[in-house]
Amino acid sequence: ETGVTQSPTHLIKTRGQQVTLRCSSQSGHNTVSWYQQALGQGPQFIFQYYREEENGRGNFPPRFSGLQFPNYSSELNVNALELDDSALYLCASSLDPRGNEQYFGPGTRLTVT
Amino acid sequence: GQSLEQPSEVTAVEGAIVQINCTYQTSGFYGLSWYQQHDGGAPTFLSYNGLDGLEETGRFSSFLSRSDSYGYLLLQELQMKDSASYFCAVSHSGGYQKVTFGTGTKLQVIP
Repeated sequence: ETGVTQSPTHLIKTRGQQVTLRCSSQSGHNTVSWYQQALGQGPQFIFQYYREEENGRGNFPPRFSGLQFPNYSSELNVNALELDDSALYLCASSLDPRGNEQYFGPGTRLTVT
Repeated sequence: GQSLEQPSEVTAVEGAIVQINCTYQTSGFYGLSWYQQHDGGAPTFLSYNGLDGLEETGRFSSFLSRSDSYGYLLLQELQMKDSASYFCAVSHSGGYQKVTFGTGTKLQVIP
């Protein structure tokens, strides 16, 4: 059983650009959630996908979008990058769409300049 | 909306016991989870409480009182490697959001 993986590890983008971050969930986990974590803060819930449909969303603008695929992989897309988007982006997979027990990937460190 | 409160920092001595409290306000409460995060690392799941009472996993225990909207994480026989940030998180059906994390408690274990 493999854990949760994310790519890339680090990324530097320019303001206004678009970025796609990828996640591979733990085998058998049909729920994936994405989080943004600023330095010294707790993870902020962006959205959740369950069986390839968005199943929950936090207080993030529509330029944050996602996809989940049948093979347990998922994507986070961010358009029109802003400086404040610089953060650690974490995906977490779980068996339960209620998000009770989540297993996190190592994260992607995004820097927007 | 949802909100959680936990102490920002706690210092404890190696070998001792420490308790990290978490109070929450939420609607449609499912349960309270705890995560550990070392500097530069990702959060790691520690425990989950969906019902009132104590859950024990090795040196770590977690408690929930739904009527008091309160929980805590208890770490026993502290080791230096326990120095990390600890987050409580509520899973809920309030609004369209599913999970809300606290701001974290930074635990420093000293010799």
